[in-house]
Amino acid sequence: QVQLVQSGGEVKKPGAAVKVSCKASGYIFSNYGISWVRRAPGQGLEWMGWISTYNENVYYTQKFQGRVTMTTDTSTNTAYMELRSLRSDDTAVYYCAKFNVLVRSLDYWGQGTLVTVSS
Amino acid sequence: QSVLTQPPSASGAPGQRVTISCSGSRSNIGRNIVNWYLQLPGSAPKLLMFSNNHRPSGVPDRFSGSKSGTSASLAISGLQSEDEADYYCAAWDDSLNGPVFGGGTRLTVL
Repeated sequence: QVQLVQSGGEVKKPGAAVKVSCKASGYIFSNYGISWVRRAPGQGLEWMGWISTYNENVYYTQKFQGRVTMTTDTSTNTAYMELRSLRSDDTAVYYCAKFNVLVRSLDYWGQGTLVTVSS
Repeated sequence: QSVLTQPPSASGAPGQRVTISCSGSRSNIGRNIVNWYLQLPGSAPKLLMFSNNHRPSGVPDRFSGSKSGTSASLAISGLQSEDEADYYCAAWDDSLNGPVFGGGTRLTVL
């Protein structure tokens, strides 16, 4: 069965960086993209961007351009999302999701990683 | 605020039918398919409906989706207590070249 298992929660100080991992199994990793979505406390879902696991092309939403880097390691079927220059309003649960480019749906999700930014 | 507009809340009694609306524009819902996601408290989101009105395997047929013009809706019939969750619509936006979400609708089963 398809599974996306994310790394554990992190506590970071403002200005620091965080790197979240997402290990995929149960499907052909290079056939689907990986998207990253976050949900801040009291807010809705916010899409951050996605990476093609086939050719590593990336697309980041304008809000995160310059602060986020998404990468993949096809040898371990793992995707990574690094967010830099953290601020308190980056406190959120970060999710990776399998991105079906054909229908543009996020059809399986990781369990989420809580990133807390606090001085 | 979110690009797609949903009512912040909805409610219904067990067994009733509830509809959640999602309003967008020509660059998103008007030109692209709509997907719906469900997030139960304390859980990760889950795909509930794709390509406007298709249910992934395992989603009961009590859930149905529709789209017309720049709006979409999700209908839930035979409401059950376990349907209490946050529901999100999403669609690709050609202007932003990425998917956009609605703000989410919290469904309460009375």
